[in-house]
Amino acid sequence: DGGITQSPKYLFRKEGQNVTLSCEQNLNHDAMYWYRQDPGQGLRLIYYSQIVNDFQKGDIAEGYSVSREKKESFPLTVTSAQKNPTAFYLCASSIPSRGGEKLFFGSGTQLSVL
Amino acid sequence: GENVEQHPSTLSVQEGDSAVIKCTYSDSASNYFPWYKQELGKRPQLIIDIRSNVGEKKDQRIAVTLNKTAKHFSLHITETQPEDSAVYFCAASRAAGNKLTFGGGTRVLVKP
Repeated sequence: DGGITQSPKYLFRKEGQNVTLSCEQNLNHDAMYWYRQDPGQGLRLIYYSQIVNDFQKGDIAEGYSVSREKKESFPLTVTSAQKNPTAFYLCASSIPSRGGEKLFFGSGTQLSVL
Repeated sequence: GENVEQHPSTLSVQEGDSAVIKCTYSDSASNYFPWYKQELGKRPQLIIDIRSNVGEKKDQRIAVTLNKTAKHFSLHITETQPEDSAVYFCAASRAAGNKLTFGGGTRVLVKP
């Protein structure tokens, strides 16, 4: 059960603090994604990257930042500008499959505000 | 952009009965429709997908149907079992290389 690893599993943020969530994959996938999961709201796309050194905003990018310096890594920073950061964060990578992208998810990081 | 609506948000069924989850999408150019299952405390996993050139696809007890004209697709689970209890997400996208848009999820509870 490896492939895509997120850390830490639980993270706590203080007021005004930036925190960084780690996402590493050894699947050799080009594309990687960050989703936010809130109860009853499904999976909302924060940022995605289709290739190294390139990334695009998703539907709810405000208050977040990312980098993609290596193919294997796609860290997400939750900045102090994100006023409601408490959520479950899922990282994913993908491969083309049958006309679409098949996503492989990490096990997630639960972020809470102190 | 694409918008995907999913109903119902919760579904309780008796073991052995069928469960149906419905999704509608807004982008007529979408042509790939996967379903993901997330068991409690676990990561979402792809369980079945369908392309727009196919109207129905089956895999054992699960099936997906697609109506491109009406822009809706559905997941059917027959002979439900306790291990089918999970949150199910539908999604839609254009061709490979395009991002997926997910529905809000359906929490399915199978009662023994």
